[in-house]
Amino acid sequence: NAGVTQTPKFRILKIGQSMTLQCTQDMNHNYMYWYRQDPGMGLKLIYYSVGAGITDKGEVPNGYNVSRSTTEDFPLRLELAAPSQTSVYFCASNGFPSPNEQFFGPGTRLTVL
Amino acid sequence: KQEVTQIPAALSVPEGENLVLNCSFTDSAIYNLQWFRQDPGKGLTSLLLIQSSQREQTSGRLNASLDKSSGRSTLYIAASQPGDSATYLCAVWDLSAAGNKLTFGGGTRVLVKP
Repeated sequence: NAGVTQTPKFRILKIGQSMTLQCTQDMNHNYMYWYRQDPGMGLKLIYYSVGAGITDKGEVPNGYNVSRSTTEDFPLRLELAAPSQTSVYFCASNGFPSPNEQFFGPGTRLTVL
Repeated sequence: KQEVTQIPAALSVPEGENLVLNCSFTDSAIYNLQWFRQDPGKGLTSLLLIQSSQREQTSGRLNASLDKSSGRSTLYIAASQPGDSATYLCAVWDLSAAGNKLTFGGGTRVLVKP
């Protein structure tokens, strides 16, 4: 199993540009999550999904959109990038209800200039 | 609303000393608790998962305890090594009306000096 994979690893955007961060998991997990982690700070939940076709907002959803058309994929869309979105983005999946263990991808480091 | 706290925020120990990392949570109605390790510039690696019905979990030099009634978990790392230097995060999964998701603590940054 590859686990949770994310692309790209790094990206530099100009203000106002848009992009999609890709996330795929091969563990057949229903639950998937997007977090952001600012330097020296903790994780903040952006969006999550409890299954294909179902998504919900986390703590910091503004400026982002998600979709979940398949169990495996959970892309995060940034529209009109702003410097405040400079961060490291982590995707995660969870096998709830069993096994209820969360696995993280390696992250995407995004800089908005 | 569940809140998770990790104290201290940073810890420095000489090699060979045992590490004790603390995690506290405000709502004891949790489903499970998970400990993660994060190396600088890297993602989170799962270390241990403790179900709400368990009191402890062990993996090699790592041992995590859980006391739901007092809202506490402790991660013990025996005979620390420089390779244990990292940030350690705990997270609780609670089945709240707000959704099924983990609530993370702020982490403890550990430095093991050779």
